[in-house]
Amino acid sequence: EDQVTQSPEALRLQEGESSSLNCSYTVSGLRGLFWYRQDPGKGPEFLFTLYSAGEEKEKERLKATLTKKESFLHITAPKPEDSATYLCAVWGNYKLTFGKGTLLTVNP
Amino acid sequence: ETGVTQTPRHLVMGMTNKKSLKCEQHLGHNAMYWYKQSAKKPLELMFVYNFKEQTENNSVPSRFSPECPNSSHLFLHLHTLQPEDSALYLCASSQDSGTGGNYGYTFGSGTRLTVV
Repeated sequence: EDQVTQSPEALRLQEGESSSLNCSYTVSGLRGLFWYRQDPGKGPEFLFTLYSAGEEKEKERLKATLTKKESFLHITAPKPEDSATYLCAVWGNYKLTFGKGTLLTVNP
Repeated sequence: ETGVTQTPRHLVMGMTNKKSLKCEQHLGHNAMYWYKQSAKKPLELMFVYNFKEQTENNSVPSRFSPECPNSSHLFLHLHTLQPEDSALYLCASSQDSGTGGNYGYTFGSGTRLTVV
């Protein structure tokens, strides 16, 4: 059974304080790893897809990386508007398996 | 309209009521999904429809009844729910259920359901 573990559960940062979120996974045949952002009361919003170890994707202050066992979402000089829950999901056995998410709070 | 639209956004219902959630996608996708999101838990897949056919029922209680009349519309019919069914119900779509696609799934904003 595919499994996704995200850490930490919650993270508080000061504006401008860079950090990383972790997503560890076990999957039988990874076909894609996805990062989503979810704001309170809304559905998840797609950020990145990574397909193979060594791949990196960037979008504004966010950068996602992938190894054979985990993915990191690096946040550089975050702003308060980056506050949200970040979800990781793996596409393995013809379905998407999600982690519990990391709640990121960025204080001004 | 574009994307995935869910109605209503909020719903409060008694345990003896019958109500329905609606989802509509304007992306030309062929697969649609219902997910349940509860606090401190990962998204739980409930049902999968691919080209209008149900391909997965993830051991969901019969008080939840899905309906997919065409590839653009998905309903979740609710009856005799329990308080523990209170959650955010999310609809999603993808090109088809056999591939994650470059964008995984596209989600709606959800229906916040409260059972009293």
